[in-house]
Amino acid sequence: EIVLTQSPGSLSLSPGERATLSCRTSQTISTSYLAWYHQKPGQAPRLLIYATSTRATDIPDRFSGSGSGTDFTLTISRLEPEDSAVYYCQQYHSAIWTFGQGTKVEIK
Amino acid sequence: QVHLVQSGAEVKKPGTSVKVSCKTSGGTFRSFAIHWVRQAPGQGLEWMGVIIPIFGTTNFARKFQGRVTFTEDESASTAYMELSSLTSEDTAIYFCAKSDAYTYASGGFAPWGQGTLVTVSS
Repeated sequence: EIVLTQSPGSLSLSPGERATLSCRTSQTISTSYLAWYHQKPGQAPRLLIYATSTRATDIPDRFSGSGSGTDFTLTISRLEPEDSAVYYCQQYHSAIWTFGQGTKVEIK
Repeated sequence: QVHLVQSGAEVKKPGTSVKVSCKTSGGTFRSFAIHWVRQAPGQGLEWMGVIIPIFGTTNFARKFQGRVTFTEDESASTAYMELSSLTSEDTAIYFCAKSDAYTYASGGFAPWGQGTLVTVSS
């Protein structure tokens, strides 16, 4: 089973700042099979990015994804107060999906 | 637009089973793959498995094999997850989520149901 390790565990930034979230996989995966979600308290997760860099429906362009091999990144270019959430990466390999442990983003 | 609506909260005794439903609307049920994901209190997301009705296939995370059953009723556009031999460690919110049956590996999970809280307590 592929393990996803996200870093940092948490970060606290001000509105308008840039957030860079990392997701490292224990084995090389296809860029087609890496996705990002965020989850706000009391809500279900919401898909942000799939296939490493494709924004999901209605996701603003301040969210972008990149990476390949074992290293993937979610960047939020200009943080807004509503971006406060836990962010999860997810991968698919050999008919199994796994999630990272999450990065908590706090907006000051 | 596709919507997923799950059944209500459950309280179960250890050793019993729970069955959660996930009713879909706004799309073609047979074109869906329905995933089940759980989240223990204060913890992260854990993928449990998937059912893809059009292919007649299910797949499970290793830790749930033998203890979870996925079924579907196409006439009701509804998927079900049944988890047996419950322990307190199964206390969690259980989510269903959709991906496309033909691009299930690459399209991500969207949308998600609202979640069903299952509490296991004696």
